[in-house]
Amino acid sequence: DAKTTQPTSMDCAEGRAANLPCNHSTISGNEYVYWYRQIHSQGPQYIIHGLKNNETNEMASLIITEDRKSSTLILPHATLRDTAVYYCIGTQGGSEKLVFGKGTKLTVNP
Amino acid sequence: EAGVVQSPRYKIIEKKQPVAFWCNPISGHNTLYWYRQNLGQGPELLIRYENEEAVDDSQLPKDRFSAERLKGVDSTLKIQPAELGDSAVYLCASSLESSGRNNEQFFGPGTRLTVL
Repeated sequence: DAKTTQPTSMDCAEGRAANLPCNHSTISGNEYVYWYRQIHSQGPQYIIHGLKNNETNEMASLIITEDRKSSTLILPHATLRDTAVYYCIGTQGGSEKLVFGKGTKLTVNP
Repeated sequence: EAGVVQSPRYKIIEKKQPVAFWCNPISGHNTLYWYRQNLGQGPELLIRYENEEAVDDSQLPKDRFSAERLKGVDSTLKIQPAELGDSAVYLCASSLESSGRNNEQFFGPGTRLTVL
């Protein structure tokens, strides 16, 4: 599975877009990029995943560069409830073996 | 729809004592996972079940840890005897499938274990 690199922490103002970067320069052609988040004292929550194309759902957008070496998770209008640790994970095929790193601690400020 | 249920939410025991965690996955989910999360770290997979079969237990410390998923529904994770280093949050997750389009993992709230 691809090794991913994320900033340790980020801050964002409430109502603004939160852009969380992830580097995965060793990702192979059949490896997906998954994003989960973990709010304090809760289990992780699935956000979105993608392979090559950009993806959007009700929670977020995932922008993957053309060379697939990096991606950005976008929360278009961050709220205080989006404060959490965000994990970027590269994995082959399905998500049966998610390897979580330390993630990015996003703090949304009022 | 009920989510993944885990109990207890908190457990404090003395070292060398046994402890067990219980998980009830989302109805209809064939795949069940147990993770351990140490403070400040991401979750680490301990074991994965496809129905009642453990298909990946490579990270499970088999000298003291055991797990079962009778009838392919509920699961129990046991530690006997517990050590100080076992203090962590134990998370259970389930998914419809382990691969394909229905492989999103749904996590329970976890059991926080403290070994004194």
